[in-house]
Amino acid sequence: KAGVTQTPRYLIKTRGQQVTLSCSPISGHRSVSWYQQTPGQGLQFLFEYFSETQRNKGNFPGRFSGRQFSNSRSEMNVSTLELGDSALYLCASRELNEKLFFGSGTQLSVL
Amino acid sequence: AQKITQTQPGMFVQEKEAVTLDCTYDTSDQSYGLFWYKQPSSGEMIFLIYQGSYDEQNATEGRYSLNFQKARKSANLVISASQLGDSAMYFCAMRVPGTGNQFYFGTGTSLTVIP
Repeated sequence: KAGVTQTPRYLIKTRGQQVTLSCSPISGHRSVSWYQQTPGQGLQFLFEYFSETQRNKGNFPGRFSGRQFSNSRSEMNVSTLELGDSALYLCASRELNEKLFFGSGTQLSVL
Repeated sequence: AQKITQTQPGMFVQEKEAVTLDCTYDTSDQSYGLFWYKQPSSGEMIFLIYQGSYDEQNATEGRYSLNFQKARKSANLVISASQLGDSAMYFCAMRVPGTGNQFYFGTGTSLTVIP
């Protein structure tokens, strides 16, 4: 089975722009979660989708949104980018009572 | 509230020696799962080992073992015979079914293996 695939791997944007990140889960996994990782902050949970429905949401502003498609692929969108949004964004998929399988992440730099 | 605490921001270990990475957790749920992940500089999080709250035996996976002390709410990772490739960030995590199987992560420990 192919692993979790995230695209793009690197992204450079300027303040005020918006960005969309993509995640393709492992085949058969219906749950997709997104995490933001910054130096010293560890992983902060953004949201989780299961069968196209948002199940859980972390404590992030409304500028961060996501969706999941019928094939379980997920996208995350950040609007009106701020410098503090520079981070590694990790996507993970799983069956609900199993471990998380992570992608390699998208490194977002906001200038 | 659910919380994972890793108090060691950085650790050093000599090659071929054993090292223990600390993790304590807090939850009022009786059923939970504890995980350790490794994150090399490439960024991908790699699953290492899992311990269920009702498991009586400590989990082991090759050179990795989890020292589970339920009463103390600790789940320390022990890496035996350290290798240079073990240099990475290590994250402890907890999954709590009572919160919709959400995962909670610690802030991580950076391990450096010295030749």
